[in-house]
Amino acid sequence: DAGVIQSPRHEVTEMGQEVTLRCKPISGHDYLFWYRQTMMRGLELLIYFNNNVPIDDSGMPEDRFSAKMPNASFSTLKIQPSEPRDSAVYFCASSSQGSYTEAFFGQGTRLTVV
Amino acid sequence: DAKTTQPPSMDCAEGRAANLPCNHSTISGNEYVYWYRQIHSQGPQYIIHGLKNNETNEMASLIITEDRKSSTLILPHATLRDTAVYYCIVRVAGNTPLVFGKGTRLSVIA
Repeated sequence: DAGVIQSPRHEVTEMGQEVTLRCKPISGHDYLFWYRQTMMRGLELLIYFNNNVPIDDSGMPEDRFSAKMPNASFSTLKIQPSEPRDSAVYFCASSSQGSYTEAFFGQGTRLTVV
Repeated sequence: DAKTTQPPSMDCAEGRAANLPCNHSTISGNEYVYWYRQIHSQGPQYIIHGLKNNETNEMASLIITEDRKSSTLILPHATLRDTAVYYCIVRVAGNTPLVFGKGTRLSVIA
């Protein structure tokens, strides 16, 4: 398996533009997590899904952020409109059902909003 | 709120054992101790986890005290590639999300 795949790896956009980050989880995994990492706040959980259903989105910072998982092999995180303070590295992770399973992380998307 | 306390940074000589401590004095009976690491610019990587017994795998060993209030991650022969931020996380069994603290930045020095 190629692991969790995120795209794009780097994104530079202007303030006010819409940004869409993409994630392909590991095949067969039931859980998908979106995290954001900044120097100031570290790694923060934004939202997670189980079997394509959002379970907890309390970490989503504002209404400008939205996430979807239309099927088991694809998820998106959208920011509209984007702001400079959204600049961060966004990670997607997936894991399978079970008591002890580890989460596998993608390589992340580095977003810069200018 | 952080459930674990780790030193912000540590140094280790290449080839020596790296011992990374973690305090989790409020750990519950059904919570496991997980360790992840994040090498610069990469996503976090699972290392090991345990409940109350000591655990060992090809990457590291995990020593948990009998009262379970603290643990130590041991990298037996640290290499330069082990330079990373190491996160100690307590988590109930199941797929509850990982909650990351600030971790320990380990620098392995040649």
